[in-house]
Amino acid sequence: NAGVTQTPKFRILKIGQSMTLQCTQDMNHNYMYWYRQDPGMGLKLIYYSVGAGITDKGEVPNGYNVSRSTTEDFPLRLELAAPSQTSVYFCASSPNWETQYFGPGTRLLVL
Amino acid sequence: DQQVKQNSPSLSVQEGRISILNCDYTNSMFDYFLWYKKYPAEGPTFLISISSIKDKNEDGRFTVFLNKSAKHLSLHIVPSQPGDSAVYFCAANQGAQKLVFGQGTRLTINP
Repeated sequence: NAGVTQTPKFRILKIGQSMTLQCTQDMNHNYMYWYRQDPGMGLKLIYYSVGAGITDKGEVPNGYNVSRSTTEDFPLRLELAAPSQTSVYFCASSPNWETQYFGPGTRLLVL
Repeated sequence: DQQVKQNSPSLSVQEGRISILNCDYTNSMFDYFLWYKKYPAEGPTFLISISSIKDKNEDGRFTVFLNKSAKHLSLHIVPSQPGDSAVYFCAANQGAQKLVFGQGTRLTINP
């Protein structure tokens, strides 16, 4: 059982470049989330989805976009990378409102 | 505006003793609280939770206490084991399955 998988594990981007962080879950969860964690800080919600075709902004959505065409996949798009987006990104899924299952994270460095 | 605060960035405890991690919150609308544990290079994993209608929840060596009047919760680990060394995040649910995380406390268990 793979759970929540994220690719890539690590990426270096130049300022202005774009990329997509991939997230897939095989637990048939309706709810999916993207967080970022900056050093010494807690996780901040970027975007979330309550089901295929439905997405909504979290606390820090600026500079990011998401889509949810299937239950399994919830990619996060960075259009114009900026140094402030250097962070560790975590994807999570949840079957209900009680708990979330996290992927291993993607470490992004923007130079 | 930090709605969930963990004021101790780190805590060191001797193996076999009790570890107490603290968390304060400001939003009285939070109705569910969770603790997550995170090892390096991994995503957070769910540890234990408590509803706002309760003041205590116990699961093996882990107990969470909630003091609503003080807007304070704590996680007790007893006895502490070396494998408990990790970063612990408290989180609060503010509806729509959105979690607000604290900054985390790094727990080190010394042999």
